Amino acid sequence: KQEVTQIPAALSVPEGENLVLNCSFTDSAIYNLQWFRQDPGKGLTSLLLIQSSQREQTSGRLNASLDKSSGRSTLYIAASQPGDSATYLCAVLPDSWGKFQFGAGTQVVVTP
Amino acid sequence: DTAVSQTPKYLVTQMGNDKSIKCEQNLGHDTMYWYKQDSKKFLKIMFSYNNKELIINETVPNRFSPKSPDKAHLNLHINSLELGDSAVYFCASSQGPAGTEAFFGQGTRLTVV
Repeated sequence: KQEVTQIPAALSVPEGENLVLNCSFTDSAIYNLQWFRQDPGKGLTSLLLIQSSQREQTSGRLNASLDKSSGRSTLYIAASQPGDSATYLCAVLPDSWGKFQFGAGTQVVVTP
Repeated sequence: DTAVSQTPKYLVTQMGNDKSIKCEQNLGHDTMYWYKQDSKKFLKIMFSYNNKELIINETVPNRFSPKSPDKAHLNLHINSLELGDSAVYFCASSQGPAGTEAFFGQGTRLTVV
């Protein structure tokens, strides 16, 4: 059974620092991996989708890497801003049937 | 214009009642999902429909019944609500089940008292 772990559970950084968020999964046979952010009381916003054949994806200040063999993905957020404060969720798709397995998330606070 | 919208956003109801949550997507996707986020913030899939057909049905009490009248809508009906049903329910959609980007609604916070 696929298990997804996100460490740390919470992170606080001063504005301007780079953020590094980790996601690990137990079964390397994945279809894709998606990073989301969740603001309090809000839904999930898709940040990046990495297909199993890809090593990384970039969007603006965000960069996500994928290493299937070691069961890891890392989300980098450059030059963090207070608006980046949110919970970041990693979700792994273990097959083609849309059954995402989510991690518990990393709660990020960026202080001005 | 909201891509995946759920109504209501908040729902407070008494034990034993029956309630429904509605979901609509305007992205032209053919696959829709219901996820449940419990008090520990874990998100778990409940159901998935592809072209109005049920393709994922996790171990969910049969008090929960999804209904997809068309590809753009997936409603969730819950009978005989229990305290343990209190959670945030998220609707999501994607283009096909096969690993394309999923988009989520804003969630429905259900509180059973």
